[in-house]
Amino acid sequence: DAGVIQSPRHEVTEMGQEVTLRCKPISGHNSLFWYRQTMMRGLELLIYFNNNVPIDDSGMPEDRFSAKMPNASFSTLKIQPSEPRDSAVYFCASSYQPATNEKLFFGSGTQLSVL
Amino acid sequence: GEDVEQSLFLSVREGDSSVINCTYTDSSSTYLYWYKQEPGAGLQLLTYIFSNMDMKQDQRLTVLLNKKDKHLSLRIADTQTGDSAIYFCAESLGNYGGATNKLIFGTGTLLAVQP
Repeated sequence: DAGVIQSPRHEVTEMGQEVTLRCKPISGHNSLFWYRQTMMRGLELLIYFNNNVPIDDSGMPEDRFSAKMPNASFSTLKIQPSEPRDSAVYFCASSYQPATNEKLFFGSGTQLSVL
Repeated sequence: GEDVEQSLFLSVREGDSSVINCTYTDSSSTYLYWYKQEPGAGLQLLTYIFSNMDMKQDQRLTVLLNKKDKHLSLRIADTQTGDSAIYFCAESLGNYGGATNKLIFGTGTLLAVQP
């Protein structure tokens, strides 16, 4: 398996524009997580899905952020409109749950810069 | 609340031992984890420990768990320059009857290994 695949790898956009980040989890995994990493706040859990259903979105910063998982092999995280403070690295991770332990497999991340 | 704390930075000389410390909040976590993040990459699971264990050894890695104090540590013996990375500890929090657990990560400790 190629692992968790995220696209794009880098995104530079202007304030006010819509940004869509994409994730393909590992085949057979049923849980998907979106994390955001910044210097100031470290690694924050934004939202996670189990069997394509959002379980906990309490980490989503505000209404400008939305996430979907239309099927088991694809998820998107959308920011509309984007703001400079959204600049961060966004990671997608997947796992199979319930499992003996919650080992997460991370993608390489999307580096987002909002100018 | 959900709060996992780590020191931000550790510098050691090649060949020395490194000890990275972490405190967590949820005493019901079944497993506790150490993840490693190399530059420009996502996190990778390094090792984990079951909550009813005090210690786990895996080659150069030793994990110590003090449940009473909610303290977790990672010791790397004979530290190499290739060990330079950010190390995250994480606790698992159950949700919705425990069918899906989420990992809450610490702030990360940057380990710098001097040749």
